[in-house]
Amino acid sequence: QKEVEQDPGPLSVPEGAIVSLNCTYSNSAFQYFMWYRQYSRKGPELLMYTYSSGNKEDGRFTAQVDKSSKYISLFIRDSQPSDSATYLCAISNTGNQFYFGTGTSLTVIP
Amino acid sequence: NAGVTQTPKFQVLKTGQSMTLQCAQDMNHEYMSWYRQDPGMGLRLIHYSVGAGITDQGEVPNGYNVSRSTTEDFPLRLLSAAPSQTSVYFCASSFRLSYNSPLHFGNGTRLTVT
Repeated sequence: QKEVEQDPGPLSVPEGAIVSLNCTYSNSAFQYFMWYRQYSRKGPELLMYTYSSGNKEDGRFTAQVDKSSKYISLFIRDSQPSDSATYLCAISNTGNQFYFGTGTSLTVIP
Repeated sequence: NAGVTQTPKFQVLKTGQSMTLQCAQDMNHEYMSWYRQDPGMGLRLIHYSVGAGITDQGEVPNGYNVSRSTTEDFPLRLLSAAPSQTSVYFCASSFRLSYNSPLHFGNGTRLTVT
């Protein structure tokens, strides 16, 4: 069983829509949760990280963690064509090793 | 500000050939690592280093060697390339090994082994 599972999509939404991206993980020992964005032919870049249950907001992005369900989400409000990318979730237990999801491909249509 | 620089961007090898993927960072980061990214598999850790002279294995180390003689450079060596090593390789670094010290990735080396 993989440490973290992520729906690969692809996901296609109209501009302005709210996007929901999700991951589940297997081990309750994981404490740290991250979302990365990866544009085509580029390396991943960190969007957000959190280490507690609940919501963390940064502009149009909200990361949500539900440790009881082992479920993490990324919401994008007012989605823009520039948000078209692959989104990777990542988890860690001690910060020593990161486990990445396979990524969800998102296209925002103008 | 260069960040993490990987060379080459693309490489084609024949089975059995060896090569070195280069990675350099100019951010004075302690931690450097190599990942491979394959469809449906996500990013998987190959090797990592927490400082010059210190390296350790990740999830998928077989067939790869690393060394860290300077803070800036962390080359990845393929000893005898196999088709299973066809992948996109990413080098990543961070200030220190910690969840809140984000990984900075290079733009990858796309390797094909025939």
